[in-house]
Amino acid sequence: DSGVTQTPKHLITATGQRVTLRCSPRSGDLSVYWYQQSLDQGLQFLIQYYNGEERAKGNILERFSAQQFPDLHSELNLSSLELGDSALYFCASSVSVGVQETQYFGPGTRLLVL
Amino acid sequence: ILNVEQSPQSLHVQEGDSTNFTCSFPSSNFYALHWYRWETAKSPEALFVMTLNGDEKKKGRISATLNTKEGYSYLYIKGSQPEDSATYLCASLTYNTDKLIFGTGTRLQVFP
Repeated sequence: DSGVTQTPKHLITATGQRVTLRCSPRSGDLSVYWYQQSLDQGLQFLIQYYNGEERAKGNILERFSAQQFPDLHSELNLSSLELGDSALYFCASSVSVGVQETQYFGPGTRLLVL
Repeated sequence: ILNVEQSPQSLHVQEGDSTNFTCSFPSSNFYALHWYRWETAKSPEALFVMTLNGDEKKKGRISATLNTKEGYSYLYIKGSQPEDSATYLCASLTYNTDKLIFGTGTRLQVFP
């Protein structure tokens, strides 16, 4: 158990819908990262927040957005869902943003868009 | 090399065998290299974070080396056990980005 929690564990929805994935970092971690794992691709970095501010952006679609709240939990919002958005979404956290920071991964949310 | 590449894609070994696999990454603007172990139905678990050329890290039977000049890292497992079966991911961080770029992993299967 990494100490990072994600909810829900599974999510099944329809195309065109909007969903919100939630992540609570480890106690004391200020940095949160979101990743997408599709069937045909490796882990793809989406976005990083540090202490409430966006820190780095990866291949995140415009239909997706995220935020980190004052209590440091983070939400990833996926809208106008398409079939290709079906994937495993991981959240990870680290204490800070230093180069040697280890990222601790949550259990993931498996999203299925039908 | 523009992407992070790992080889082999998969590996099957017998219990007790030692094994190693490779991670190749962009050597320019190198900042750090991460290794993760990812068991099926679980989340990736951090093994090592390496930054210095020539660095070698060890955790039990698993060790890793780093060559930042030529852009590669080796992960070694000594005396593989069935519980070592997992996908081993490496990820590179460069100065000109603030994001980890992951390889597609090496899937290791250790047979008893």
